[in-house]
Amino acid sequence: AQTVTQSQPEMSVQEAETVTLSCTYDTSENNYYLFWYKQPPSRQMILVIRQEAYKQQNATENRFSVNFQKAAKSFSLKISDSQLGDTAMYFCAFNTGGTASKLTFGTGTRLQVTL
Amino acid sequence: GAVVSQHPSRVICKSGTSVKIECRSLDFQATTMFWYRQFPKQSLMLMATSNEGSKATYEQGVEKDKFLINHASLTLSTLTVTSAHPEDSSFYICSAIFRGPGPFYGYTFGSGTRLTVV
Repeated sequence: AQTVTQSQPEMSVQEAETVTLSCTYDTSENNYYLFWYKQPPSRQMILVIRQEAYKQQNATENRFSVNFQKAAKSFSLKISDSQLGDTAMYFCAFNTGGTASKLTFGTGTRLQVTL
Repeated sequence: GAVVSQHPSRVICKSGTSVKIECRSLDFQATTMFWYRQFPKQSLMLMATSNEGSKATYEQGVEKDKFLINHASLTLSTLTVTSAHPEDSSFYICSAIFRGPGPFYGYTFGSGTRLTVV
C-alpha cells in the first residue's frame, strides 16, 4: 500500500521569507505522480504543483518549486517570497497514474505566514 | 475549465433523516468521481470511488448502505447520507478526474459540504 508522510504538522514563516515543507512517500511503483495541494480557510482544494516521477527535472510554478528525490522517495515544497495569502493547510498527495487512480493524501502541514 | 460544482455548501438536518449532496462537472465529462470526508484539522479520507454507469467502490470501513453513491451520468454524482446521526457530521468533498492535452490529467475538487446532524 502507498503511504504519504508529512512530518511537520505546523510551520510558520515571515512574509517575504522562504519556507520548505517536507513530504516522503512509500511505493513499489516506478511510474507515479506527486502533487501538492493547498487548502485555505475556505476549504477549497487548490492544486499548487505536480510532478511526474519519470521527469528528473523539478517542477516549478512561479514562487513554488519542488525538490523531488526519487531514490529517497522525498518530495518537498519550497515557497519563496511567502505571502499572507499562502496561509493554508498544505497536503502532499500521490497516485500511480491511470485515469481512475485515486489520490493518497498526507496528513497535512498547517502553514502560517506572519507579518 | 474543469470545474466541479458541489451543493449544498452547508446543510443541517435532524437525526434520522437523509441528506443528498450533489457534485456536477460543469465543463467536462467526469467518468470517475471521488468522495472524501474531512474531519477538522485532518486530512481528506477517501470514502468511495464513483464510476459512471457502475456501482461505486467503497473504501474499507465505509458503510455502503449508509453512504449511497449514484453516478448516473457523466456530469453528476450524488452522495446520500441515509439515516444521518450526529457522528456523520463532517465536511464532505467530491473530486473528479479531468483530461487535459495529451497524457495530462488532473483532479478538480468541489467546494465541499459541511453537514451538521442535530
